[in-house]
Amino acid sequence: EPEVTQTPSHQVTQMGQEVILRCVPISNHLYFYWYRQILGQKVEFLVSFYNNEISEKSEIFDDQFSVERPDGSNFTLKIRSTKLEDSAMYFCASPGEGDNYGYTFGSGTRLTVV
Amino acid sequence: LAKTTQPISMDSYEGQEVNITCSHNNIATNDYITWYQQFPSQGPRFIIQGYKTKVTNEVASLFIPADRKSSTLSLPRVSLSDTAVYYCLVGDSSGYSTLTFGKGTMLLVSP
Repeated sequence: EPEVTQTPSHQVTQMGQEVILRCVPISNHLYFYWYRQILGQKVEFLVSFYNNEISEKSEIFDDQFSVERPDGSNFTLKIRSTKLEDSAMYFCASPGEGDNYGYTFGSGTRLTVV
Repeated sequence: LAKTTQPISMDSYEGQEVNITCSHNNIATNDYITWYQQFPSQGPRFIIQGYKTKVTNEVASLFIPADRKSSTLSLPRVSLSDTAVYYCLVGDSSGYSTLTFGKGTMLLVSP
């Protein structure tokens, strides 16, 4: 089954620092997505990225967030100046393949801002 | 987007069949129903998707009545490893649209 790979699995950072979360989505897909889940809360949409451009973003995705495709297969989510409330699991996802008509999510990065 | 309503939690025992029902009264004509499973500290995992009647795969069955205002995810003979949160989502089937997750149903399977 195709996988979406995320690194690091855990990241601890001090408030105000910049963090970069990385994702390798399913190959050959032009779409990918970032979601986050604060502990005990719902999975929330952050941003969708298509063909090197943001196609949709939520209210959460403010100016401190950015997404990039630094090379052909890697995508990043950057948080410029982290706040305590940015502590969450961050998931990237690709459209599914085969019998998966939904998304394939990565295993996530747990970000802890202290 | 059609709103979905699921039970907050369910309990079961190993070997039993579990049925989780989701209400989606405002489902649109073009909407599909998709279920995901999420284990703690992991990303949601696609389980099954359907439009009407019944869909079955190696993991679960999905029952959708004619009016499509509800759906039931059926897990046959659950095991401890099926303990997870199950989400019912309604929307575009393509996998290219934004997903809106609710709080899901926390299924606890006991020995």
